[in-house]
Amino acid sequence: EVQLVESGGGLVQPGGSLRLSCAASGFTFSSYSMNWVRQAPGKGLEWVSYISSSSSTIYYADSVKGRFTISRDNAKNSLYLQMNSLRDEDTAVYYCARDRLWPSAFDIWGQGTMVTVSS
Amino acid sequence: DIQMTQSPSSLSASVGDRVTITCQASQDISNYLNWYQQKPGKAPKLLIYDASNLETGVPSRFSGSGSGTDFTFTISSLQPEDIATYYCQQYDNLRTFGQGTKVEIK
Repeated sequence: EVQLVESGGGLVQPGGSLRLSCAASGFTFSSYSMNWVRQAPGKGLEWVSYISSSSSTIYYADSVKGRFTISRDNAKNSLYLQMNSLRDEDTAVYYCARDRLWPSAFDIWGQGTMVTVSS
Repeated sequence: DIQMTQSPSSLSASVGDRVTITCQASQDISNYLNWYQQKPGKAPKLLIYDASNLETGVPSRFSGSGSGTDFTFTISSLQPEDIATYYCQQYDNLRTFGQGTKVEIK
């Protein structure tokens, strides 16, 4: 079964750090680009970051640029999001999503992991 | 950055009605647009890719059209299980979602 499972969410104080993980199974992880997408409580979807299959190309939304770092380990079939200098507005459910080979589309999603930034 | 504007933000329709949602891009994105469905408490699901292509396994009552800056998503006959929020998403330059359209049953 094709599956993505996020972990690492939790409660963190403003200014703190957190590392999210996304474990992939059921497909050749190293062949796909991956993304992080977040959703604040009661709000819409916000794309956060993209990483190509070989990690050669990385993009960030302006809202997280300089604070978040996306990475992957193809040997471990895992995607990561290192989040530093967290703010209240980073509170959201964070989803990892597979980016299908061209044409691009987020065709597989994880169940999400909740990140709460609060003092 | 490319902005995506969806309308309406919410709608209420009867079972069997035709439902239409529009999505406008702030610049020409060709046909680089996808549509997703999200039910409460669940992850989004891909319905339409490349503006008009139906994802495998998605019922044929869902369809999409458009190119350039103006796009349309249609449910030809609304079913109770279609209650959800629908999002457009561009991939011409980075990735951007529309703000979503919540569909309810009247």
